[in-house]
Amino acid sequence: KAGVTQTPRYLIKTRGQQVTLSCSPISGHRSVSWYQQTPGQGLQFLFEYFSETQRNKGNFPGRFSGRQFSNSRSEMNVSTLELGDSALYLCASSLHRGSGQYFGPGTRLTVT
Amino acid sequence: AQKVTQAQTEISVVEKEDVTLDCVYETRDTTYYLFWYKQPPSGELVFLIRRNSFDEQNEISGRYSWNFQKSTSSFNFTITASQVVDSAVYFCALSESGTASKLTFGTGTRLQVTL
Repeated sequence: KAGVTQTPRYLIKTRGQQVTLSCSPISGHRSVSWYQQTPGQGLQFLFEYFSETQRNKGNFPGRFSGRQFSNSRSEMNVSTLELGDSALYLCASSLHRGSGQYFGPGTRLTVT
Repeated sequence: AQKVTQAQTEISVVEKEDVTLDCVYETRDTTYYLFWYKQPPSGELVFLIRRNSFDEQNEISGRYSWNFQKSTSSFNFTITASQVVDSAVYFCALSESGTASKLTFGTGTRLQVTL
């Protein structure tokens, strides 16, 4: 099976702009979760989607949002970008809740 | 609140040495899941193992083994006869039954294996 894919792999944006990141889960996986990884804060959970519904949300401001489509593909959006949003954004998919999560290669976002 | 502590920030070993990575967790749930992930320099997190709180059996997979002890809230990971390809950052993670897809990660242990 193909793994989790994320696009784009690299992105450079300026402060105030918005960005949309995309994630395609492993075929058959219906749960998609997003994480932010920074050197200072480490790996932090953003949100989880299952069957097009957000089921869990981490401690991030409302500028961070996401959605899931009927084919389980997911997007996350960050509006009004700040310098501190520079990070590696990782998407993970799992077959069901509590099972192993399989991560994609990530999108490295740089905000200047 | 759930928490994962990986006290070892960085470990350096010479190839063929055994190395143990420590993980201590905190949770109020009686049902929870523990995970280990490997992050090589490429950046992608690689899933290594998942263990639920009711299964305290140790597990061995090739050169990897895991020791889960509920009495000390620890889930340690041992690499036997380490190899240069094992060089990576290793993360321990925890999820609770009510929010099973929300992983709380430790800060990671960077393992450097040299010849």
